[in-house]
Amino acid sequence: AQSVAQPEDQVNVAEGNPLTVKCTYSVSGNPYLFWYVQYPNRGLQFLLKYITGDNLVKGSYGFEAEFNKSQTSFHLKKPSALVSDSALYFCVCSRGDKIIFGKGTRLHILP
Amino acid sequence: GAGVSQSPSNKVTEKGKDVELRCDPISGHTALYWYRQSLGQGLEFLIYFQGNSAPDKSGLPSDRFSAERTGGSVSTLTIQRTQQEDSAVYLCASSLDSPYEQYFGPGTRLTVT
Repeated sequence: AQSVAQPEDQVNVAEGNPLTVKCTYSVSGNPYLFWYVQYPNRGLQFLLKYITGDNLVKGSYGFEAEFNKSQTSFHLKKPSALVSDSALYFCVCSRGDKIIFGKGTRLHILP
Repeated sequence: GAGVSQSPSNKVTEKGKDVELRCDPISGHTALYWYRQSLGQGLEFLIYFQGNSAPDKSGLPSDRFSAERTGGSVSTLTIQRTQQEDSAVYLCASSLDSPYEQYFGPGTRLTVT
C-alpha cells in the first residue's frame, strides 16, 4: 500500500539552529512530492515540490528539501530556524489520482 | 486575486440531519480536492475532481458521503444522516492541474451534536 511517513510527531529546535523535518514514502513508480505548512489559525500553504530534475528543491520562507530516491526520503530543511517557523508541516505524495498526506510534524522553534 | 472560498465557515447540525458544504475554487483551476481534518489529526483525502469528473471516489468514508462538481467550478460535498464521528474541519483545495501545488480554502468546521 502507498504511504507517507513522518516519523516525528514533534520537533523542537532552538532559534538560529538548523532544522530537519523527516519524510519517507512508499509509492511505486515516480512520485510527486510536496511540503505544506499550516500556521496556527491559518490555512494550509504550499512550501515546495519535487517533480523531476535537481534533487535539491528550494521553496518559500528559506526552506528546502532533498529528494533521495534510494532512501525514498524527502526531508524538509532550513539552515537557520526562526520562531515564526513554528507550525504544523505535512509531507504529501501524489501518484496518479492518489494523494497521500503524512500525519504531520509539529515544529516548535524555541527562542 | 480571489482564493479558494468555502461556505459555511461553521456548521452545527443534529445527528441524522443532512449537510451540504460548498467550495468555490480559484478561477481557471481544473483540479479540486476535498479533505477532512479531525482535531489533532492529519489530513484525510476524500475525493479529487479533474474538471467535473472524479476518477477515484474510494477516499469517501462511507456511502453517506457524496460530492459533485458542476461547470468545472463550484463543488459541493454532501453528508447524509450525519453522525458524531463526522465532526471535523472539511478542507477544499484547487490547483491549476494535477499534480500542481494546491491552494487551500479556510475550511468548514462541522460539529454534529
